[in-house]
Amino acid sequence: DAGVIQSPRHEVTEMGQEVTLRCKPISGHDYLFWYRQTMMRGLELLIYFNNNVPIDDSGMPEDRFSAKMPNASFSTLKIQPSEPRDSAVYFCASSPQAFTGELFFGEGSRLTVL
Amino acid sequence: GDSVTQMEGPVTLSEEAFLTINCTYTATGYPSLFWYVQYPGEGLQLLLKATKADDKGSNKGFEATYRKETTSFHLEKGSVQVSDSAVYFCALRSRSPGLVFGAGTILRVKS
Repeated sequence: DAGVIQSPRHEVTEMGQEVTLRCKPISGHDYLFWYRQTMMRGLELLIYFNNNVPIDDSGMPEDRFSAKMPNASFSTLKIQPSEPRDSAVYFCASSPQAFTGELFFGEGSRLTVL
Repeated sequence: GDSVTQMEGPVTLSEEAFLTINCTYTATGYPSLFWYVQYPGEGLQLLLKATKADDKGSNKGFEATYRKETTSFHLEKGSVQVSDSAVYFCALRSRSPGLVFGAGTILRVKS
């Protein structure tokens, strides 16, 4: 079975540019999470969705960040405009409706903003 | 708020040595506790979990016991292998489906 699929795996961009990260969750999973990983702050939960609806976006750092889930098989995390401090690895994770606590993570998107 | 504190790394061990990675937590109520592992260039994978006090989670030779009285969930393995080299994260789930993670502990095992 396919796991959580993220793209791109690596993105290098210049400050001020728009960045879009994409995620395809595991089919049948109703929860989707976006995390950011940095050396300084570790793993931070940015936002999560249940049945495509954003439930808690309190972790989104600024208005420059936005996330959408237009359908059950696709989500995006957008940064506009990007800044060097946004450089991090962004992980998407999904979980089934009967939430047991296990999150299934994608391989991450490594973002470098110059 | 909820938080998880892990021992700082890196932890460097020789093959077949005993491993302990300490983890303590602060949370309201009765959280579920987890250990995740991250291999280089990969996402996190669930290693083991425990959902109530005195539960022991175990997988691949790793164990951790949910100790409510000491708010701890220490990870142990009796004999580590080079292939266990990775980053280990302790995490909890309390009032939200999202997990709260510790800072992670790098484990390096030498042959």
